[in-house]
Amino acid sequence: DAGVTQSPTHLIKTRGQQVTLRCSPKSGHDTVSWYQQALGQGPQFIFQYYEEEERQRGNFPDRFSGHQFPNYSSELNVNALLLGDSALYLCASSSMIVSNQPQHFGDGTRLSIL
Amino acid sequence: GDSVTQMEGPVTLSEEAFLTINCTYTATGYPSLFWYVQYPGEGLQLLLKATKADDKGSNKGFEATYRKETTSFHLEKGSVQVSDSAVYFCALSEEGFQKLVFGTGTRLLVSP
Repeated sequence: DAGVTQSPTHLIKTRGQQVTLRCSPKSGHDTVSWYQQALGQGPQFIFQYYEEEERQRGNFPDRFSGHQFPNYSSELNVNALLLGDSALYLCASSSMIVSNQPQHFGDGTRLSIL
Repeated sequence: GDSVTQMEGPVTLSEEAFLTINCTYTATGYPSLFWYVQYPGEGLQLLLKATKADDKGSNKGFEATYRKETTSFHLEKGSVQVSDSAVYFCALSEEGFQKLVFGTGTRLLVSP
């Protein structure tokens, strides 16, 4: 039973570029959440997708956008990259239907902005 | 808004020592509480959870009790091992198990 998978593992971009990160949820999960973890900090909630719609959003600018596909996989897009966007981006999946089940995290995508 | 405060690290212990990592929270409702662990180069793994006051979560020798009166969820282990070296995050969720609010993490270093 595959867990949460994220791609790519590492990515290097320059300021002003755009990036797309991908996530496949754990089997049986229908909800995907994205988090940003800066070096030495705890993860910060970016947004959550369920039924292909953004359900909740954290305090992140519109440069951060996402998408969920019919197979429940998800993408995180970041436009006009800034140096401060350098971080580990974590995807977590869960089930909206099965209550009291915790989120499962992938190993993340390490994004470095030069 | 909701927040989680953890003791700053690193916490440095010798093998078989007793571990306590303090965690307190601020929330408007009745959150669920979690401890996650992050090993180098990896994502977060759920260590334990508690969903209501006085619940005790436990896993792999780690324990934490949900204390509503002190808004705390301290992590404890009676005898740490070198393999427990990692970063530990306390977190809460107000709406079941959806959006998580994390503390800043506490690095644990265990020496032989």
